[in-house]
Amino acid sequence: AQSVTQLDSHVSVSEGTPVLLRCNYSSSYSPSLFWYVQHPNKGLQLLLKYTSAATLVKGINGFEAEFKKSETSFHLTKPSAHMSDAAEYFCVVSPFTGGGNKLTFGTGTQLKVEL
Amino acid sequence: DVKVTQSSRYLVKRTGEKVFLECVQDMDHENMFWYRQDPGLGLRLIYFSYDVKMKEKGDIPEGYSVSREKKERFSLILESASTNQTSMYLCASRGRRSYEQYFGPGTRLTVT
Repeated sequence: AQSVTQLDSHVSVSEGTPVLLRCNYSSSYSPSLFWYVQHPNKGLQLLLKYTSAATLVKGINGFEAEFKKSETSFHLTKPSAHMSDAAEYFCVVSPFTGGGNKLTFGTGTQLKVEL
Repeated sequence: DVKVTQSSRYLVKRTGEKVFLECVQDMDHENMFWYRQDPGLGLRLIYFSYDVKMKEKGDIPEGYSVSREKKERFSLILESASTNQTSMYLCASRGRRSYEQYFGPGTRLTVT
């Protein structure tokens, strides 16, 4: 069994300040973990993925995430927020290191970026 | 460029109607998926297909069926639409050796 908990449903930051979106997971297997972003009226786009290689993962648009097995966490960060980062972000877990078909999505975190 | 297209962005249907949602991908992917997205619930997997004519139930298959007659096309069928099926429906595809699922823009279905 696997599950994902996104600890904040809404996060608000000022442009130019750091972003932290928190995600905890549970999985009976060595998981693959992903962050997806969804801009308004658009489909989901993969930001980054962890697949049992380096624990610090870099993604697109300056985002990165660190896999911490001891804390069962996979938090998403960005040093400096941009207005274009405003979107909904989903943390996703898969039970198989290769990705697999049974993804479990978190409930999403809405990121608001203010001037 | 990777492309997953869905037949409609917005759809309004009446209770009891049979509804078809179509998804087409142009990446020759083996795997295709249908999800529904509801506020506060994230995405939930309805059905997926790992090959032509092959399908597996996801987490919430009740009230839905699927069809995959060609590799590039995956259809979601609501046999008798109900108001609790009002939702955003997202299609995705994934290659056999890929981690990433590619998503279409979604169909917002309203059942009245």
